[in-house]
Amino acid sequence: ETGVTQTPRHLVMGMTNKKSLKCEQHLGHNAMYWYKQSAKKPLELMFVYSLEERVENNSVPSRFSPECPNSSHLFLHLHTLQPEDSALYLCASSQDRTGIGIQYFGAGTRLSVL
Amino acid sequence: AQSVAQPEDQVNVAEGNPLTVKCTYSVSGNPYLFWYVQYPNRGLQFLLKYITGDNLVKGSYGFEAEFNKSQTSFHLKKPSALVSDSALYFCAVRGSLSGGYNKLIFGAGTRLAVHP
Repeated sequence: ETGVTQTPRHLVMGMTNKKSLKCEQHLGHNAMYWYKQSAKKPLELMFVYSLEERVENNSVPSRFSPECPNSSHLFLHLHTLQPEDSALYLCASSQDRTGIGIQYFGAGTRLSVL
Repeated sequence: AQSVAQPEDQVNVAEGNPLTVKCTYSVSGNPYLFWYVQYPNRGLQFLLKYITGDNLVKGSYGFEAEFNKSQTSFHLKKPSALVSDSALYFCAVRGSLSGGYNKLIFGAGTRLAVHP
């Protein structure tokens, strides 16, 4: 158990659905991240939040909408997704923004878009 | 641009033999380098990092990595592989974001298969 919890673990949705992914960290960290993991590709950093402020939006399509209501919770709202959005979505947290600290990852949400 | 390359999609090794998982990087300035491991149905777990100091870094589960500045490499090693080491291994380097923030840039991963 890494202290980062993601729900749901699996999600199947149609292209017209709206759903949300949830991430919660119990580590007292100040930075949280969303990554997309596709087979045989590097992890793609999607969003970075530090102290609830978004500091990176890595050219992610607007059909992905992040929300960080407090330093412990991070959401990824999904709407009108495409089949190529099917992937493992990972949430991570770290103590600060220096980039030399350890990132702690959740187990991910496996998303399938039909 | 900062980048990481893991030239092998998969590495196969017999249990008890030494293993090496390769990583090369490209950064401007001093590199901050990391290895993470991902077991099936799990998120990534930190193994070790190089910030400064000794070129040989020791980490979790008996793993170590050797920083080689001239070859811009940071290969992961273990003297004696276990079947339980079978997993997906990611090399990463620190990259820059705006506003003084930083991020991790990951390689594509190398699948390690240890056979009994």
